[in-house]
Amino acid sequence: KAGVTQTPRYLIKTRGQQVTLSCSPISGHRSVSWYQQTPGQGLQFLFEYFSETQRNKGNFPGRFSGRQFSNSRSEMNVSTLELGDSALYLCASSSQGGGGNTEAFFGQGTRLTVV
Amino acid sequence: GQSLEQPSEVTAVEGAIVQINCTYQTSGFYGLSWYQQHDGGAPTFLSYNALDGLEETGRFSSFLSRSDSYGYLLLQELQMKDSASYFCAVWGYSTLTFGKGTMLLVSP
Repeated sequence: KAGVTQTPRYLIKTRGQQVTLSCSPISGHRSVSWYQQTPGQGLQFLFEYFSETQRNKGNFPGRFSGRQFSNSRSEMNVSTLELGDSALYLCASSSQGGGGNTEAFFGQGTRLTVV
Repeated sequence: GQSLEQPSEVTAVEGAIVQINCTYQTSGFYGLSWYQQHDGGAPTFLSYNALDGLEETGRFSSFLSRSDSYGYLLLQELQMKDSASYFCAVWGYSTLTFGKGTMLLVSP
């Protein structure tokens, strides 16, 4: 069974640009969550999608957005990039709709560097 | 809101036993999880406690006490490959909230 796939693995962008990251969850998993990981803040929750609906959103500015497609693949977009957006962006998939999850499976992440 | 506290760094020697503590403040959660992350890698699942008590998986054990808002991860027979960051996390309805992680350094 294939794991969670994130593309691209590495990305360098300039301040003010926008970026789109992609995540393909494990087959059959309908919940996809996104996290931002930085040395100072650890893993911070961005948002979670289930069956194309955003069910939960973390405390990030509106420049961060996402969506999920009917095949459960998800994308996140960051507009007007700032230096502070440099981070490892992790995607996690899980099988349950909610309340029944015991394990989340993470992708290798996308390392975004904003210069 | 939810917050989880864990030590930033722990050191130990090969073959030893180490315990990584996690205290939390949360209005409610389904279970406490532990994840391991090697430098530059993806977090990988280690254990999950839905109920109070000890869960054992090979060299790793995890404990939860809801009344004390406390849990820990116990690693036995430490190996060099166990050097990594370890995160406790609580499951809300559909999301995981993580602690800031504990870096475990295992020396020969």
